[in-house]
Amino acid sequence: DAGVIQSPRHEVTEMGQEVTLRCKPISGHNSLFWYRQTMMRGLELLIYFNNNVPIDDSGMPEDRFSAKMPNASFSTLKIQPSEPRDSAVYFCASRNPGNYGYTFGSGTRLTVV
Amino acid sequence: QKEVEQNSGPLSVPEGAIASLNCTYSDRGSQSFFWYRQYSGKSPELIMFIYSNGDKEDGRFTAQLNKASQYVSLLIRDSQPSDSATYLCAVRSGGGADGLTFGKGTHLIIQP
Repeated sequence: DAGVIQSPRHEVTEMGQEVTLRCKPISGHNSLFWYRQTMMRGLELLIYFNNNVPIDDSGMPEDRFSAKMPNASFSTLKIQPSEPRDSAVYFCASRNPGNYGYTFGSGTRLTVV
Repeated sequence: QKEVEQNSGPLSVPEGAIASLNCTYSDRGSQSFFWYRQYSGKSPELIMFIYSNGDKEDGRFTAQLNKASQYVSLLIRDSQPSDSATYLCAVRSGGGADGLTFGKGTHLIIQP
């Protein structure tokens, strides 16, 4: 099992540019979560999907953030336009409903300059 | 606002001793409780989860839950230098809410 796969591992972009982060959950896991981690705020839940349907997006900070899950094996988190305060590590996690455990990907470190 | 509180540390423990990590949560409806370990620059990895009052043991790790006091703890016996990391407490509420609410973590240092 390859685990949760995120890309890119690192992203440096200029303020105002569009950024797209990608995630492939573990096969068979039907829940997918996007988290953001900063020193100041810790790990924050942005949005999660069950069976490809967005369930709770109350953590999405602004309309500049959007997330999609077009199929069971792929999700994207898009920031447009990006701002320096969006700099953080973005994690994707997935979960099998029969299992209490949430498995995290390796994360994408985003730097907006 | 659901909150999970942890002492940020650092908590320094001699090698071979017991490390005790604590966590409190605000939402009385919370149903499941998780401990994750995160090494610097890495992703969180699940150590244990607990959902019933009392203790749950797994190897050198014991999770303790007291719902009346809204308190969760993690004990690490025979602490090793490789246990040095940040330990994150996370809580899952009931009512169909699937996302975890995390504390900011306790930085644990095991001194050789």
